[in-house]
Amino acid sequence: DIQMTQSPASLSASLEEIVTITCQASQDIGNWLAWYQQKPGKSPQLLIHSATSLADGIPSRFSGSRSGTQYSLKISRLQVEDTGIYYCLQRYSNPWTFGGGTKLELK
Amino acid sequence: QVQLKESGPGLVQPSQTLSLTCTVSGFSLTSYHVSWVRQPPGKGLEWMGVIWTGGSTAYNSLLKSRLSISRDTSKSQVFLKMNSLQTEDTATYYCARFGIREGYWGQGVMVTVSS
Repeated sequence: DIQMTQSPASLSASLEEIVTITCQASQDIGNWLAWYQQKPGKSPQLLIHSATSLADGIPSRFSGSRSGTQYSLKISRLQVEDTGIYYCLQRYSNPWTFGGGTKLELK
Repeated sequence: QVQLKESGPGLVQPSQTLSLTCTVSGFSLTSYHVSWVRQPPGKGLEWMGVIWTGGSTAYNSLLKSRLSISRDTSKSQVFLKMNSLQTEDTATYYCARFGIREGYWGQGVMVTVSS
């Protein structure tokens, strides 16, 4: 099974700060990587698909990048509404696997 | 528009079987695959399995021996059955449609395993 190691597990940042979350895949997954945001009591919402493509309706301050088997989600200017838990998901091969999550809070 | 909605019992006794239904609208199950994902309280997301457009299935190897996913295309419903439930199966269970550019989720249904 492909392991997705997500870091950090938690993060506290200030408004307007740049935030970066990473997922390291245990093997090649190509661009089969998506990023989700989950708010308390809500279902996850797609932010980034295909490793680097912004999902419909998502603000442009969110971006995704890839370097080999390391994938990153960047929030360029943190806003209040960006707090929540972020997950990566690989769908390259079964079983599809999520990263462990990153809890993002405002400082 | 695309919608998915889970339904099922909120409480299941240990060792019993969990049966959940995902009712979809806005798309056909013969055109889009549907997955089940669960999330224990305060923990992360776990992909459980998928039913493909042709009706075949794939499961998380950790759950494969206990899990079955099926569907009724005429009713636009996907079913999850998982046996031998234990307290660690307490979770919110989601059905979801994952695509290359999309990720639609149901609202989730909380299932507690307790006597």
